[in-house]
Amino acid sequence: DTAVSQTPKYLVTQMGNDKSIKCEQNLGHDTMYWYKQDSKKFLKIMFSYNNKELIINETVPNRFSPKSPDKAHLNLHINSLELGDSAVYFCASSQGGQGDAAEQFFGPGTRLTVL
Amino acid sequence: AQSVSQHNHHVILSEAASLELGCNYSYGGTVNLFWYVQYPGQHLQLLLKYFSGDPLVKGIKGFEAEFIKSKFSFNLRKPSVQWSDTAEYFCAVTLTGFKTIFGAGTRLFVKA
Repeated sequence: DTAVSQTPKYLVTQMGNDKSIKCEQNLGHDTMYWYKQDSKKFLKIMFSYNNKELIINETVPNRFSPKSPDKAHLNLHINSLELGDSAVYFCASSQGGQGDAAEQFFGPGTRLTVL
Repeated sequence: AQSVSQHNHHVILSEAASLELGCNYSYGGTVNLFWYVQYPGQHLQLLLKYFSGDPLVKGIKGFEAEFIKSKFSFNLRKPSVQWSDTAEYFCAVTLTGFKTIFGAGTRLFVKA
């Protein structure tokens, strides 16, 4: 069984469009994350939710809006897509954020290409 | 500002060579330390972690790392690499409040 899943795996779209990426985890974790990995493989946290509450919101354009309908899901909606949004987006989850519980489990990634 | 530095961006080794990847962080508080690996075409997975206790931790596939608090370092080592270790390696630090900072990654290529 897949622990952290993301859909879609690939997303190709035009500039200016609005798109969503979905993430689901079946690990029973209470914390979920969105990361952006750029073309140089640099991985940067964007958002984190703990028990459906937003706890980390890094310097991300407000075109990006996360939504957590429940603890098992964290979706990412992107408005007015720009060329610079092209990247691989990873979802992750953990059970808490401290000590041994801070280990994160990552999804397979969504490769977004904006044309 | 908090940061994680990985000293080598690209490393090329022959099989059976020893590996050491450097990682330093800048944060004065309590940290949890991780090394994650990303094999070609795959997602990140945990290699090993440190949160307390023995500063020498052992992970999967023969990897180990040593936490040296005085040097703010958490270097990854493996005595003898294999071709299958070719991957991108990320050092990560989790601070209080759930925030995790990743290093820029080190791309390891092992020649068969």
